Amino acid sequence: NAGVTQTPKFRILKIGQSMTLQCTQDMNHNYMYWYRQDPGMGLKLIYYSVGAGITDKGEVPNGYNVSRSTTEDFPLRLELAAPSQTSVYFCASRAGNYGYTFGSGTRLTVV
Amino acid sequence: KQEVTQIPAALSVPEGENLVLNCSFTDSAIYNLQWFRQDPGKGLTSLLLIQSSQREQTSGRLNASLDKSSGRSTLYIAASQPGDSATYLCAVTNTGNQFYFGTGTSLTVIP
Repeated sequence: NAGVTQTPKFRILKIGQSMTLQCTQDMNHNYMYWYRQDPGMGLKLIYYSVGAGITDKGEVPNGYNVSRSTTEDFPLRLELAAPSQTSVYFCASRAGNYGYTFGSGTRLTVV
Repeated sequence: KQEVTQIPAALSVPEGENLVLNCSFTDSAIYNLQWFRQDPGKGLTSLLLIQSSQREQTSGRLNASLDKSSGRSTLYIAASQPGDSATYLCAVTNTGNQFYFGTGTSLTVIP
C-alpha cells in the first residue's frame, strides 16, 4: 500500500515555464488536496476535490489549475511559473470523516 | 474563513519534561481536528485525529484534547525526548470539506 505518491520530488523551473505536479493515491479516498508551504510559514490550501470530476478553489488558487478525472489522480498544473511559486507542495487525501494522509512533497524552485 | 492559531510558535524544554502545545480555531463548525508532526525538510506525519464528537485521543505519550465550543485543542506530550524535536501542526476540517492548518509550534527537546 503506497499511500499518497508525489512526483517529482525536486524541480527547478525557469520563469514562464509550465509543469505538472503529479499526485496519486491508492486508498480509494474521495477527498484530495493540494497545499503549498513556504519557508517558516504554515500550509496554504491551493485546490481540493471531493470526488472525481469535482474540484474547488482553496485559499491561494491563483496561478494553478487542477483536474480530477479519476479517483486516484489529482495533478496540479502551473502554467506560467513565477518566482512567487517557489515553495514545497504537498498533496493529501482522506476518506469520509477520517484523517489525512500526506505525500512526501515536491520542492519547486522558480528562477 | 477558518483561522487556526498555534501558541507558542517555538518551545525549548529539557528532556523529561511534560509539555502542552495549544491550538485555537475561530469557526467551531468542524468535522475533526488532527495533529501532525513535521521534521525539517520532510513531509507530515499524522499523530492524532479527534472527531468533532470526541473530547480526547491518546497514543503512547501523546494526548490530544478538543473543546469545540471554545475553539481549542491541546496536545500534551509526556516525558519529552530529544526525538520529539520537530514542528507540530494542528489542522481542522470544516463542514465545507476544507482543511486549514495552523502555523505550527517548533519544539526542541534538549538532552
